[in-house]
Amino acid sequence: DVKVTQSSRYLVKRTGEKVFLECVQDMDHENMFWYRQDPGLGLRLIYFSYDVKMKEKGDIPEGYSVSREKKERFSLILESASTNQTSMYLCASSSPTSGAVTYEQYFGPGTRLTVT
Amino acid sequence: QQQVKQSPQSLIVQKGGISIINCAYENTAFDYFPWYQQFPGKGPALLIAIRPDVSEKKEGRFTISFNKSAKQFSLHIMDSQPGDSATYFCAAQNRGSQGNLIFGKGTKLSVKP
Repeated sequence: DVKVTQSSRYLVKRTGEKVFLECVQDMDHENMFWYRQDPGLGLRLIYFSYDVKMKEKGDIPEGYSVSREKKERFSLILESASTNQTSMYLCASSSPTSGAVTYEQYFGPGTRLTVT
Repeated sequence: QQQVKQSPQSLIVQKGGISIINCAYENTAFDYFPWYQQFPGKGPALLIAIRPDVSEKKEGRFTISFNKSAKQFSLHIMDSQPGDSATYFCAAQNRGSQGNLIFGKGTKLSVKP
């Protein structure tokens, strides 16, 4: 069964801390994504990666960085956490469906991060 | 032009009724339109999807209607059930984007018993 796991369901950090959110997928997918979800704003793409050691900025990359050293693992880093980064963070992975060019994204359960 | 506009933001429907959620887009390069369903405490999961070469796709009680000329697509949930209560996101994929989806802002559906 397809699985995307995230290291923590709930996380509380202090302003200025460096925060690591980990995501692991077991589907051998090439593509991985980090989103944040806020009420009324939907899913906003932070960063994505099409391959190991490769990254692309999404719509809201400011204050975040990512790392993809292995195909199955994609890390989101908050260099210096701020209160406006309090949010739900969702990781996803995808690969093209066979014979087509559509990509189903599989999501993890999310990490609810609170920065105080 | 990369946006997908979704409405309404929230929807309350009686059990057995029809739930309708609408989305609109501008970019004619979009070539894949999925709908995702998210229950509280879970990540979104693919519900149903359509390509622009068909006008309708039905899977059980869920139907996507697609109007290419109007650049609009909608999700219809027939015989809505309390178990359908969730947040629904429409999305669109740009041709050649390698799977990067543009999501609508979501619709919170509540089905009352």
